[in-house]
Amino acid sequence: NAGVTQTPKFRILKIGQSMTLQCTQDMNHNYMYWYRQDPGMGLKLIYYSVGAGITDKGEVPNGYNVSRSTTEDFPLRLELAAPSQTSVYFCASSRQGSYEQYFGPGTRLTVT
Amino acid sequence: GENVEQHPSTLSVQEGDSAVIKCTYSDSASNYFPWYKQELGKGPQLIIDIRSNVGEKKDQRIAVTLNKTAKHFSLHITETQPEDSAVYFCAAPGKLQFGAGTQVVVTP
Repeated sequence: NAGVTQTPKFRILKIGQSMTLQCTQDMNHNYMYWYRQDPGMGLKLIYYSVGAGITDKGEVPNGYNVSRSTTEDFPLRLELAAPSQTSVYFCASSRQGSYEQYFGPGTRLTVT
Repeated sequence: GENVEQHPSTLSVQEGDSAVIKCTYSDSASNYFPWYKQELGKGPQLIIDIRSNVGEKKDQRIAVTLNKTAKHFSLHITETQPEDSAVYFCAAPGKLQFGAGTQVVVTP
């Protein structure tokens, strides 16, 4: 199994541009999550999903959107990039009934 | 909601010494307490966890202890090695919250 994969690894955006961060898992996990990690800080939950077609806001959802059309994929959309969205973004998944989360390698995003 | 506080934020230890990181939580209903390790440039990875019905769990050089009365749990690393250098996070997964992290540096 590849586990949780994320693309791209790095991206530089200009203010106001849009992009989609891709996340895919091949473990058939129901639950998927998006976190952001600012330098020297912990992980902040942006959005999560408990299954295809179901998403919910986390602690810091403003400026982001998600969709979950399949079990495997959970893309994160930035519509109007702002410098405050410069961060490292991690996608994670877990199986139903388990709290153990499996993380992807992250996407480092810079907005200038 | 759940608050998770983690201390210290940085920890420098000599190789072979022990390291201890502590997390406090607020929700007395919490029943699962994990620790994640994040190596440079990678995502966090679960290294050990404990459920509320036990007070301690060991896995080779790492252990987690839980004090439900005081609402804190700790990560213990014994005989530290350079490969233990990383950022460690505790979590309150019921509320999908992570501690702020502890940067551990093991010096030879």
